[in-house]
Amino acid sequence: SQQGEEDPQALSIQEGENATMNCSYKTSINNLQWYRQNSGRGLVHLILIRSNEREKHSGRLRVTLDTSKKSSSLLITASRAADTASYFCARTKAAGNKLTFGGGTRVLVKP
Amino acid sequence: GAVVSQHPSWVICKSGTSVKIECRSLDFQATTMFWYRQFPKQSLMLMATSNEGSKATYEQGVEKDKFLINHASLTLSTLTVTSAHPEDSSFYICSAEGEKYNEQFFGPGTRLTVL
Repeated sequence: SQQGEEDPQALSIQEGENATMNCSYKTSINNLQWYRQNSGRGLVHLILIRSNEREKHSGRLRVTLDTSKKSSSLLITASRAADTASYFCARTKAAGNKLTFGGGTRVLVKP
Repeated sequence: GAVVSQHPSWVICKSGTSVKIECRSLDFQATTMFWYRQFPKQSLMLMATSNEGSKATYEQGVEKDKFLINHASLTLSTLTVTSAHPEDSSFYICSAEGEKYNEQFFGPGTRLTVL
């Protein structure tokens, strides 16, 4: 499959807890992005991290990238019920603009 | 950020008919538009990439004669599912990219159900 792997496939946590999901890939990348998708809706862009970056923050979101391990992680701190959604990583290869999506992680935040 | 719209948001059609889905960039010129398909509880799979004024580039395994893509202007791309069958039922999402922005902006998706 051309898709990267994401784990876990599903995650259920209590409100206030942190949620961590991981994304692995096989080829070299130009950048890696994380998206959120609420059920039956379009995608919302969360964070873009470039291949020469190791960590980025945006509000309660923290993304790391380890190009030596070909993996990235998304951490949501102090989760809220509104964070319930599917989260996808997507990468672009060097000198390209096509996005290849990972399998996604379905996150359920229980109030 | 930029806004991308899709129309219709959902459509139900009979097997054998054709369905057209529109993707519009509302406030920027989209030099490239992408079409994705997403089956329930699965990820997005890229179907094709279209550049304004030229033929679309289809991903391996996607039938170009079945999924007709037209990108006639810098703000509009259309995907026509021809002779639709129940297995074509899916969530179709477009995205648009322009020189003004360094990222793809996604439309809200179109739910296609073929009876």
